[in-house]
Amino acid sequence: DGGITQSPKYLFRKEGQNVTLSCEQNLNHDAMYWYRQDPGQGLRLIYYSQIVNDFQKGDIAEGYSVSREKKESFPLTVTSAQKNPTAFYLCASSIWTGGVSGANVLTFGAGSRLTVL
Amino acid sequence: SQQGEEDPQALSIQEGENATMNCSYKTSINNLQWYRQNSGRGLVHLILIRSNEREKHSGRLRVTLDTSKKSSSLLITASRAADTASYFCATKDNNDMRFGAGTRLTVKP
Repeated sequence: DGGITQSPKYLFRKEGQNVTLSCEQNLNHDAMYWYRQDPGQGLRLIYYSQIVNDFQKGDIAEGYSVSREKKESFPLTVTSAQKNPTAFYLCASSIWTGGVSGANVLTFGAGSRLTVL
Repeated sequence: SQQGEEDPQALSIQEGENATMNCSYKTSINNLQWYRQNSGRGLVHLILIRSNEREKHSGRLRVTLDTSKKSSSLLITASRAADTASYFCATKDNNDMRFGAGTRLTVKP
């Protein structure tokens, strides 16, 4: 079955630690995205990648880093510089249709919940 | 920054009633999408409407788009308890997808 897998589902971090959230897709999608969701709120874009070895910052990239070495994988590292990392993190992918006229229909993973102890 | 704003923030109805959620956006768009999120899960794409369409149907879902008012509505007819979820509109902002804060729908059995 094609899909997008996030792991781990739950993660606990001590202050000062870096943690990496995994996102893997087997949909052959070009584009991948990371969003952060806080309780009762919408999604805020952290990073997105249109193609391998390229990625762009979203609205809240500070304290986060990503890599896109393979088409299938887009891991997100939450660094110690992120002051309030407790949140629900969602990874998504889509076929890339560039420019404003495209329609990027996103497929989402099940999410990873990060809690700072 | 959020592109879409959903209204109301929360909606509670009885099973069998219709549910209407609205979305307003700020910039010109070529299409608008609606997604659903069950509690603690990822989002699932429901429907996409293009700027040259005024209305679109999918099962019990009806979406309208008014580009002159920069607004869209999602109507769920004959709601069921299983429709309980949060609903988000999304638009494309240059090369990335932006979501509103969502409407939390509760359908009481």
